[in-house]
Amino acid sequence: DIQMTQSPASLSASLGETVSIECLASEDIYNNLAWYQQKPGKSPQLLIYYASSLQDGVPSRFSGSGSGTQYSLKINSLESEDAATYFCLQDSEYPWTFGGGTKLELK
Amino acid sequence: QVQLKESGPGLVQPSQTLSLTCTVSGFSLTSYNVHWVRQPPGKGLEWMGRMRYNGDTSYNSALKSRLSISRDTSKNQVFLKMNSLQTDDTGTYYCTRDRGAAIDYWGQGVMVTVSS
Repeated sequence: DIQMTQSPASLSASLGETVSIECLASEDIYNNLAWYQQKPGKSPQLLIYYASSLQDGVPSRFSGSGSGTQYSLKINSLESEDAATYFCLQDSEYPWTFGGGTKLELK
Repeated sequence: QVQLKESGPGLVQPSQTLSLTCTVSGFSLTSYNVHWVRQPPGKGLEWMGRMRYNGDTSYNSALKSRLSISRDTSKNQVFLKMNSLQTDDTGTYYCTRDRGAAIDYWGQGVMVTVSS
């Protein structure tokens, strides 16, 4: 199985700041990487698919990049509504596997 | 619009079988894949298995011996059955759809507690 190592596990940032979250795959996943946002008590919401494609309706302050085994999610100009937990998902091969999550808190 | 809704018992006794139903609307099960994903309380997400648009299934090897996914296309439903439940199977179970690349829609989830 492909292991997804996500970092950091938690993050604290101020409104207006820019943050990055990383996911490292145990083998090449050929850009088959998605990012999700999950708020407490809610289902995850798709932000980015195929490493860098922005899902319809997602603000442009979210962006994804990477290739091979290393991927990142960048959030520019943090807003209060961005406080959430973020997960990556590799859909390159079964079983699909998720990163452990990053909890983003706003100061 | 696309909707997925999970239903099933909220409480299951240890060693018993969990049966969940996912009822979908806004798309056809013969055109899209449906996956089951679960999340223990306060923890991360685990992919459980998939019903492909053509009826093929794939399972997480860690669950394969206990898990079965099936469907009834006439009722727009996908079913999950998992036997020999233990307390660490407690969590929220999600029915989801993939867009060909990544999961794009999630159900609201159903909380399942395994306890006597």
